[in-house]
Amino acid sequence: KQEVTQIPAALSVPEGENLVLNCSFTDSAIYNLQWFRQDPGKGLTSLLLIQSSQREQTSGRLNASLDKSSGRSTLYIAASQPGDSATYLCAVSGVWDSSASKIIFGSGTRLSIRP
Amino acid sequence: GAVVSQHPSRVICKSGTSVKIECRSLDFQATTMFWYRQFPKQSLMLMATSNEGSKATYEQGVEKDKFLINHASLTLSTLTVTSAHPEDSSFYICSARVLSGNYGYTFGSGTRLTVV
Repeated sequence: KQEVTQIPAALSVPEGENLVLNCSFTDSAIYNLQWFRQDPGKGLTSLLLIQSSQREQTSGRLNASLDKSSGRSTLYIAASQPGDSATYLCAVSGVWDSSASKIIFGSGTRLSIRP
Repeated sequence: GAVVSQHPSRVICKSGTSVKIECRSLDFQATTMFWYRQFPKQSLMLMATSNEGSKATYEQGVEKDKFLINHASLTLSTLTVTSAHPEDSSFYICSARVLSGNYGYTFGSGTRLTVV
């Protein structure tokens, strides 16, 4: 059974700092890994998608890495801003326990950037 | 980009009534849609997978008679919460897999259901 864990559960840092969010998964047989952002009471916004054959993806101040063999991914946020405050979720997609592809989420990291 | 439109964004209903939530893929065909439920400060829990033209596949522990899913076309999937109870109050989100481009998943904006 695939399980996704995110550490830390919550993080508060001052504006301007670089930070790293961690995600680990137990079954390395994944199609891809995706990082999302969720603002309170809102839906999900996709930030970065890494295919299983890739090792990293970058978008602006965000960089996500994937080490499939060790079951780990990191989301690096450079020069953090108060507007980055949100919950960050990682999710993996694949086929486990059934014939249907599904996406499994981690529990998220609640990030707060202090002005 | 691929967009999933979800309605309503908020709904309040009385106990015992039914509520329908719609998800539409606006610029792509979604043969498969996923329905999630999220409790406060928790992650998303997959409830069911709906496939166009066939019965939905429910995750273990999800009552299929209570959460009716219909996926009658390639652009529309609906979730109906029947005989709603206060414990059904939650945030419901739909998702579709985008088969073009990077093959990621796109999500609706969510529906906040409150049963009183």
